Amino acid sequence: GEDVEQSLFLSVREGDSSVINCTYTDSSSTYLYWYKQEPGAGLQLLTYIFSNMDMKQDQRLTVLLNKKDKHLSLRIADTQTGDSAIYFCAERGQAGTALIFGKGTTLSVSS
Amino acid sequence: DSGVTQTPKHLITATGQRVTLRCSPRSGDLSVYWYQQSLDQGLQFLIQYYNGEERAKGNILERFSAQQFPDLHSELNLSSLELGDSALYFCASGNSGGDTQYFGPGTRLTVL
Repeated sequence: GEDVEQSLFLSVREGDSSVINCTYTDSSSTYLYWYKQEPGAGLQLLTYIFSNMDMKQDQRLTVLLNKKDKHLSLRIADTQTGDSAIYFCAERGQAGTALIFGKGTTLSVSS
Repeated sequence: DSGVTQTPKHLITATGQRVTLRCSPRSGDLSVYWYQQSLDQGLQFLIQYYNGEERAKGNILERFSAQQFPDLHSELNLSSLELGDSALYFCASGNSGGDTQYFGPGTRLTVL
């Protein structure tokens, strides 16, 4: 069945780069997503990538997709304390269908 | 602000009771998705509506039901509540292209 795996924790120092990794199993996934959840808040869509792309950059965020290995990563450059949150990777198969989420990676940024 | 609204923000009730959670999608979005977030299960898809019709079902219990009204707002009804139903319930709305889903702030349900 469909499954999305992420490491549970990542700790970095302010100013460093953070890389959050995700693997998925559904080779028919059309879109892959990164969401951010701050304490007590909802899920904020950070960025997403279509499955025919290898890379997408959006300001401090870079998404890399290796479709062969079904591996997705999110790199946050110059990580700030305000980036501390839980980051969820999600995949979606056909257009308009539900998202399958990983368990989330808690990013802790120390000053 | 995603443009998706959910009410109430918090709900505390007792086992056996019934509650209704409400969601208004972003302007122009026809799809509404309901998700449950709990510590043990993570984020799980419950059900999807598109323009008033049920489109897909996920891990939704028979005690739970939903509907989408002509004005496109949606309600999730949870009945015969159990302690294990305590969770964050999110609504998300999607555009007709189906490529993105924007989440509301969630309703935190506590069953005592």
